[in-house]
Amino acid sequence: AQRVTQPEKLLSVFKGAPVELKCNYSYSGSPELFWYVQYSRQRLQLLLRHISRESIKGFTADLNKGETSFHLKKPFAQEEDSAMYYCALRSGGGADGLTFGKGTHLIIQP
Amino acid sequence: NAGVTQTPKFRVLKTGQSMTLLCAQDMNHEYMYWYRQDPGMGLRLIHYSVGEGTTAKGEVPDGYNVSRLKKQNFLLGLESAAPSQTSVYFCASSYASPGVEYSDTQYFGPGTRLTVL
Repeated sequence: AQRVTQPEKLLSVFKGAPVELKCNYSYSGSPELFWYVQYSRQRLQLLLRHISRESIKGFTADLNKGETSFHLKKPFAQEEDSAMYYCALRSGGGADGLTFGKGTHLIIQP
Repeated sequence: NAGVTQTPKFRVLKTGQSMTLLCAQDMNHEYMYWYRQDPGMGLRLIHYSVGEGTTAKGEVPDGYNVSRLKKQNFLLGLESAAPSQTSVYFCASSYASPGVEYSDTQYFGPGTRLTVL
């Protein structure tokens, strides 16, 4: 069975410091990995897809198949980055739903 | 464009009562999903639909039924609510076409907070 693990429930860093939110997965095939974010009083929305290999709001994430990880990184945290972050996996193409991690609450202190 | 909307936003039920949660999307998406989120947990897939008239079970389908009579609507029913179904329910939708940019992106509704006493 597939699983997504986010080991940190809460991560607090100071503004301007680097941020790394960890995500590890278990899946026997070729997964599709995503990061979703939920800002205060907003709905869950896509932040990053591993397939795009792009930077969104200064965040990047690289899929490491050897370590089965998809960590989210940002070199300089900003206060507006404070939110709940969820790592998610989709097992195949088509209609498959997402398997989510439990989420990490990121707090950026001024 | 309202995107994905959910009705109601909040509901309190007594054990054994029934109710239906409505999800509507105006993006002409083929795929729709129902998830539940319990405190300290990630979202878990209940049921999903690949198109009008078709539904399939997800990870935690027991105690729920769904229907997709119209492409834009996806209903989640609880026939006999139990306290274990106290949760926040999220609906999501996405495109079906692999060639469409961001077709793998799911768009979420605001959630329905359900309490079963």
